[in-house]
Amino acid sequence: AQSVTQPDIHITVSEGASLELRCNYSYGATPYLFWYVQSPGQGLQLLLKYFSGDTLVQGIKGFEAEFKRSQSSFNLRKPSVHWSDAAEYFCAVGAVETSGSRLTFGEGTQLTVNP
Amino acid sequence: GAGVSQSPRYKVTKRGQDVTLRCDPISSHATLYWYQQALGQGPEFLTYFNYEAQPDKSGLPSDRFSAERPEGSISTLTIQRTEQRDSAMYRCASSQGTSPYNEQFFGPGTRLTVL
Repeated sequence: AQSVTQPDIHITVSEGASLELRCNYSYGATPYLFWYVQSPGQGLQLLLKYFSGDTLVQGIKGFEAEFKRSQSSFNLRKPSVHWSDAAEYFCAVGAVETSGSRLTFGEGTQLTVNP
Repeated sequence: GAGVSQSPRYKVTKRGQDVTLRCDPISSHATLYWYQQALGQGPEFLTYFNYEAQPDKSGLPSDRFSAERPEGSISTLTIQRTEQRDSAMYRCASSQGTSPYNEQFFGPGTRLTVL
């Protein structure tokens, strides 16, 4: 069965600093990988996704992520964080062999941005 | 509708009572997912529908949980004889189809508290 690990429960960065959120996955085949952001009172919003091809994917709000098969990782990055980026971030892997496309999520990383 | 809506947004109930949660997906979307998100955790898959069909119920924690989507649009999740461990955020998502290429759009969730 697939699984996702986000090693950092909580990260604090200063506004303008760079950001990297870690994600490691376990999956038998080529994974379908996603990053979602959850703001208070809001639903989960998709930031970016990786299915195949170029291992560096660009998403919304200036985020990018790099798929590294050798490390089973899909880390999320942003060169310069804005105060509005404070939220909880979830990495997820999609299972394809089962019917439907159920997502398996990590436990999330809470991002705090200091002024 | 413009997005996925869920009602109620908050539900407080006493142990042993039955509760029904509602999800109204994006109108053109064939596929609907239910997830359970405990405090401090990522969402966990419960079940999904493709139109009226419910091909996968494997994530439902017990037979106290059931879901319906009789007309292939609105869905309800019912929890019978609620227990304190059922307290969680219940999230609904819809997508155009079952392929992982179809983005899942999430609703704001229903926060269930069982006293």
